[in-house]
Amino acid sequence: DVKVTQSSRYLVKRTGEKVFLECVQDMDHENMFWYRQDPGLGLRLIYFSYDVKMKEKGDIPEGYSVSREKKERFSLILESASTNQTSMYLCASTGWSPTDTQYFGPGTRLTVL
Amino acid sequence: DAKTTQPNSMESNEEEPVHLPCNHSTISGTDYIHWYRQLPSQGPEYVIHGLTSNVNNRMASLAIAEDRKSSTLILHRATLRDAAVYYCILSPNNAGNMLTFGGGTRLMVKP
Repeated sequence: DVKVTQSSRYLVKRTGEKVFLECVQDMDHENMFWYRQDPGLGLRLIYFSYDVKMKEKGDIPEGYSVSREKKERFSLILESASTNQTSMYLCASTGWSPTDTQYFGPGTRLTVL
Repeated sequence: DAKTTQPNSMESNEEEPVHLPCNHSTISGTDYIHWYRQLPSQGPEYVIHGLTSNVNNRMASLAIAEDRKSSTLILHRATLRDAAVYYCILSPNNAGNMLTFGGGTRLMVKP
């Protein structure tokens, strides 16, 4: 069974803390993505990466950074968490072909107090 | 990027067929039509995709209009487990193989 795993299902942090969300895939996919999902706003792309050490901004990159040191791992970093970053964060990965399936992790529900 | 339009919500009775429509009037010739669904408290999961011809798999069928400006996801016998948000997405051949999720259709299944 193919797998995308995320480091935590639930996370509670305080305003100003540095937060790391980890994502690991076991399918040798080149492309990895971080989305956030909020009620009424759907899934919005934060960042994506199409190769090791490569990153591209998505639609809402402000307040976030990413790291991809190894092909299987893509990390999302909140340098200084704020309450408006309380959200569900979803990681996904896929291959290069437009017919390749995008596989999602179970999500991390982050609450910033 | 070409956009899709779906109804916000639909309702179905258990064990009846469900037809979920999607309009994509600005689709280009190389765009694939993908359907994903998101069950409550889970990440989205792949359902089916197609280019021009109708497609069947174990989860659903995809009927694509001849002009490709619309498509319909068909669940042959809805179960309670099929209650989810269904997303119709066009995937152009772009860097990173990105998908752009719209609002989707929330399917409610009544017992």
